[in-house]
Amino acid sequence: DAGVIQSPRHEVTEMGQEVTLRCKPISGHDYLFWYRQTMMRGLELLIYFNNNVPIDDSGMPEDRFSAKMPNASFSTLKIQPSEPRDSAVYFCASSLSGQYGYTFGSGTRLTVV
Amino acid sequence: DQQVKQNSPSLSVQEGRISILNCDYTNSMFDYFLWYKKYPAEGPTFLISISSIKDKNEDGRFTVFLNKSAKHLSLHIVPSQPGDSAVYFCAAHDRGSTLGRLYFGRGTQLTVWP
Repeated sequence: DAGVIQSPRHEVTEMGQEVTLRCKPISGHDYLFWYRQTMMRGLELLIYFNNNVPIDDSGMPEDRFSAKMPNASFSTLKIQPSEPRDSAVYFCASSLSGQYGYTFGSGTRLTVV
Repeated sequence: DQQVKQNSPSLSVQEGRISILNCDYTNSMFDYFLWYKKYPAEGPTFLISISSIKDKNEDGRFTVFLNKSAKHLSLHIVPSQPGDSAVYFCAAHDRGSTLGRLYFGRGTQLTVWP
């Protein structure tokens, strides 16, 4: 099993540009989570899906953020327009119903200049 | 509102000694607790867990203790090794939630020096 795969690993973009982060969960997992890690807030839940359906997006900071899960093997997190304060490491994680733990991807380090 | 709190952002310990990382929680509906370990440039990885029906779980050098009355858990690492240097996250599951969400603390950076 290749684990949770995130791309790109690093992204540097200019303020105002659109950024799309991608995630492939572990096959068979029915939960997918998007987290953001910052020094101030630690691991912050942005949104999560169950069976491709968004369950809770209350952590999405602003309307500039959106997430989709068109199928069980792919999800995107989009920021449009991006701002310097969006700079952080974004993690995707997946899990299986009945199991407590998540498997995290390696993260995408986003820098907005 | 932080339901899982790790009040020490950092901890420095000499190699061979015990590392104790602490975690407090506020939600009495939490029924399962996990510790994750994170190295730089990697995602968090599962380390050890404990069910609320237990007060201790041990796995090699790692032991987690749960004090439900105090709503407190701790991770003990004995003996500490330089390779243990990482950020440790405490996480909890709410049995009142039918969905698979975990609540995370902000993490504690452990540094083990030779």
